[in-house]
Amino acid sequence: AIWMTQSPSLLSASTGDRVTISCRMSQGISSYLAWYQQKPGKAPELLIYAASTLQSGVPSRFSGSGSGTDFTLTISCLQSEDFATYYCQQYYRFPLTFGGGTKVEIK
Amino acid sequence: EVQLLESGGGLVQPGGSLRLSCAASGFTFSSYAMSWVRQAPGKGLEWVSAISGSGGSTYYADSVKGRFTISRDNSKNTLYLQMNSLRAEDTAVYYCARTGGYCSSTSCPPSDYWGQGTLVTVSS
Repeated sequence: AIWMTQSPSLLSASTGDRVTISCRMSQGISSYLAWYQQKPGKAPELLIYAASTLQSGVPSRFSGSGSGTDFTLTISCLQSEDFATYYCQQYYRFPLTFGGGTKVEIK
Repeated sequence: EVQLLESGGGLVQPGGSLRLSCAASGFTFSSYAMSWVRQAPGKGLEWVSAISGSGGSTYYADSVKGRFTISRDNSKNTLYLQMNSLRAEDTAVYYCARTGGYCSSTSCPPSDYWGQGTLVTVSS
């Protein structure tokens, strides 16, 4: 299986901050990476696929970058509705795997 | 509007069985592969299984292979997950999710729509 290391696991930030979340793969996956946002008690929502393609309806303050083994999710100007947990997922090969998650909390 | 509605969760004893259902609407069900993803209480996401649009190809995580069976009835727009030999570590919220298209023999696209989840608790 492809293992994923997501960091940090907890990020404290303020509204308006620029935040970056990292996801590192145990082996190269080209650009077969997605990012999801999950709020408490809710299902995950797809934010980005193919490492950098924004899902329809997702605000442009979200962006993704990277290829191979190192990927980044950036929120350019954190809004109140962005406080949530974020997961990366590789879909290069079965079994599909998720990172451990990054909780973005209010500082 | 795409809607996915899971049902069938509940409390079951270790070694028992449960069948989850997911009723889909708002899209051409047979054109999309579907997945089950679970989340143990307070933990992260874990992919469980996926099935092609026709139902002819199925894929499983090692943790459930041989115990869980994914299936679909395209005439009823419904996805299923038959869970046998349940263990305490299977306790989780189970989400039904639509993939972004077709699965290949090696992978499936990410999930673009998710249901609200159904809780399965395995305990004596």
